[in-house]
Amino acid sequence: QSALTQPASVSGSPGQSITISCTGTSSDVETYNVVSWYQQRPGQAPKLMIYEGTERPSGVSNRFSGSKFGNTASLTISGLQAEDEADYYCCSYAGTYTSTYVFGPGTKVTVL
Amino acid sequence: VQLVESGGGVVLPGRSLRLSCAASGFTFSSYEMNWVRQAPGKGLEWVSSISRSNTIYHAESVMGRFFISRDNSRNTLYLEMNSLKAEDTAVYYCSASGRYSFDHWGQGTLVTVSS
Repeated sequence: QSALTQPASVSGSPGQSITISCTGTSSDVETYNVVSWYQQRPGQAPKLMIYEGTERPSGVSNRFSGSKFGNTASLTISGLQAEDEADYYCCSYAGTYTSTYVFGPGTKVTVL
Repeated sequence: VQLVESGGGVVLPGRSLRLSCAASGFTFSSYEMNWVRQAPGKGLEWVSSISRSNTIYHAESVMGRFFISRDNSRNTLYLEMNSLKAEDTAVYYCSASGRYSFDHWGQGTLVTVSS
């Protein structure tokens, strides 16, 4: 059972914006401002999309943005495109005494 | 940046297996390295991390059975897996860390634990 909570699925039409939430606890998301987000297309390895909550790696489209409020982080995809259809996972650092990193269960994004 | 995992396969419950991850295209010794796994049809699960100074962390689910190590002279990361269980069946990904994130990923190697 994941320590982080994500919706199982989110859908939107091309051009729309969608937001995926990632809810944690005071042991992870709320305390450590280092949530990361990963995109995984079928049969492929995950790809880093956001790190440290809001930062985009070089090469990632600026249509992807991250935010955090309290114990909930969010990933927003604006101007939704067909190529954005994938699974998205959030991940938080959780300290060194228990589970150092925790992932959410993943959200399936469908472009209608 | 390239990460290439190897060593996966079919193994009997209770047996051992060693995974390797060959790294190239970056300064291997300067990065924290990790193993993340994904059971068939399931989500991602962090397994183990090793820092630049060889500090090691393991998930509770594998503690005492799995051991991560690195050889900076060979630019290679390892995962020694012992007392394997059916629930260890997964694709195992090698990953290089940035600041508390998994920046670069290999294509993964499948480990199947089955009798």
